[in-house]
This record gives sequence, structure tokens and C-alpha cells, in this order.
Amino acid sequence: EPEVTQTPSHQVTQMGQEVILRCVPISNHLYFYWYRQILGQKVEFLVSFYNNEISEKSEIFDDQFSVERPDGSNFTLKIRSTKLEDSAMYFCASSGSLAGASDTGELFFGEGSRLTVL
Amino acid sequence: DQQVKQNSPSLSVQEGRISILNCDYTNSMFDYFLWYKKYPAEGPTFLISISSIKDKNEDGRFTVFLNKSAKHLSLHIVPSQPGDSAVYFCAASEFNAGKSTFGDGTTLTVKP
Repeated sequence: EPEVTQTPSHQVTQMGQEVILRCVPISNHLYFYWYRQILGQKVEFLVSFYNNEISEKSEIFDDQFSVERPDGSNFTLKIRSTKLEDSAMYFCASSGSLAGASDTGELFFGEGSRLTVL
Repeated sequence: DQQVKQNSPSLSVQEGRISILNCDYTNSMFDYFLWYKKYPAEGPTFLISISSIKDKNEDGRFTVFLNKSAKHLSLHIVPSQPGDSAVYFCAASEFNAGKSTFGDGTTLTVKP
């Protein structure tokens, strides 16, 4: 069964360092997303990506964050200068159609990358 | 402004009984509603969905009910099984929006 894969599973970094989280979405999906979940809190939307550009982003997704699809398979999230409050589980997701499109808009999530900022 | 709310952080039921998980929303533009299940150390997995033109959708042991006038949806699991023990997230999207908004989640424990 096709699945979304994420690397690394866990990354520990010092505050102020750059971090890149990587994702390989399901191969025939066109829409890509990053969500995060701070420990014990809700799953929060960060950004959606389609046709090589950002479709929508949340208030959380400020200038410290960027996304890229450098080739035909990878989808990355970069945090330029990490802060303590960036510590969270980051989930990549993909879908065959845009979220909100009836019947096919469900998201397929990866297992997450846990980021710990010290 | 929390647009999707799951007011019960936890629910415990006996195996074989019905589990009812509730979700309320405030955004009348939401058009599509989904339930996801999440086990520890895994990503959320899609469970069942319903569009705003329907009031019920059933898939095996899982049924989702939508009450648009009350801005309320619920997930019924019958019969509940120990393997259903997980965190359940309600999510909602506007039509062809670029994102889904998630609730806080409800931890379901099904006791043998």
C-alpha cells in the first residue's frame, strides 16, 4: 500500500540552527501539506503546496519556514533558525485532490518527524 | 478562535458497546468533515468522512452523523473493540480549500 515516508524520525538541534525535514509523498498525489503537533496539543496546519507553489499557509508559517519540492519525489520543510517553541512532531501529508474536495480530499499522513530544539 | 472543537478529551467504553465521539464546529463555510485515528508514534490515518450535503455516512462499524443546523458531528463505533483504542481527531475543510482544520482530539480507550 502506498505510503508517505518522512525522515528523520527524530532530530535534536540547538536553538538558532537550521533544520530540514524531508518527506516523500505518495507518488501520484498532487497536493502536499505540512502539519505539526506540539506535545499534548492539536494537529495544526502549517502549509499546503500544489503545482510548485504554496496554496495556503497559516499564521504559524512565518518567514522562518519554507517548503520546497526539489525533485519529482521529495517535499521538504526548512526552518531557518529554530526556536524552542518549534519543538513538535511535524507531519507531512499528501492527497490526490485538494482538501475539501468531496470524497477524495482525505489526507495521507507520514509517521512524523519529531523535532526537539534545545 | 478554535473552529473545530472536541470537548471530551477522553472516553472509556467497554468492549462490544457503542463509542460516541463528538465534534462541534463554528465555521458555516465548512463543507467536508473527516475523522482520523491516531496511534502513538504514528501519523493520523483517515477513517471516514462526510460532505455537508449528507447527514449520515456509514462504513462497517463506523458511522458519522452530521447535524448542520447544530454545527455538530459525531462518530459512532459499534461494536467497539480494544484495537479501536487511539486518539480520534475530527477535521473540517471548506470546499476545495487548501487545508483541513483539526480538533484537539479525543482519546478513546476500549476495555476488554
